[in-house]
Amino acid sequence: AQSVTQLDSQVPVFEEAPVELRCNYSSSVSVYLFWYVQYPNQGLQLLLKYLSGSTLVKSINGFEAEFNKSQTSFHLRKPSVHISDTAEYFCAVRYSMIYNQGGKLIFGQGTELSVKP
Amino acid sequence: NAGVMQNPRHLVRRRGQEARLRCSPMKGHSHVYWYRQLPEEGLKFMVYLQKENIIDESGMPKERFSAEFPKEGPSILRIQQVVRGDSAAYFCASSPPWTLENYGYTFGSGTRLTVV
Repeated sequence: AQSVTQLDSQVPVFEEAPVELRCNYSSSVSVYLFWYVQYPNQGLQLLLKYLSGSTLVKSINGFEAEFNKSQTSFHLRKPSVHISDTAEYFCAVRYSMIYNQGGKLIFGQGTELSVKP
Repeated sequence: NAGVMQNPRHLVRRRGQEARLRCSPMKGHSHVYWYRQLPEEGLKFMVYLQKENIIDESGMPKERFSAEFPKEGPSILRIQQVVRGDSAAYFCASSPPWTLENYGYTFGSGTRLTVV
């Protein structure tokens, strides 16, 4: 079965430190990859996505993620975090329509990023 | 252009009652997806609907749960005879008709169902 694994359920870091949130998915067929962020008691907001082309994608607030097909990974990184980055981060995969009727997203379990002063 | 609207934001039901969760997709979006987020877990796909059609309900529990997306009006997720285990956040997402460019959804803020 297709699955997404986020290896860390909680990541505590100090402000201005670098952070990496790890994400691996189960299949190497055509995939589209996403990171969503969820602030407390809110819905999910799209942070960044990989559809095709350059394997390094960036968000407007300093996050970046790199698609690594051979390792089936899409890790999220930020060189210097802020208190305001404290939230839950979800990695998600959408498989090609050939394999996935309707293109539903499959989510990882989430990583809670806690940035401390 | 309003985003995906879900209501109510919070819903409390006693065991055995019915819960109705509503989702109005973004303007121009004809595809609706429902996801459930249990405490300490990620989002689990439940059902994918287009207007008047259920396309994929592989994530729906076999009993008590149903969904619809009528020609007019919002999409409705209905849970009959709720039990404590149904307590969760239910998120709706919408997207335009699928094209090569449209690989992301827009999520609503969710309905948090508490069964007491």
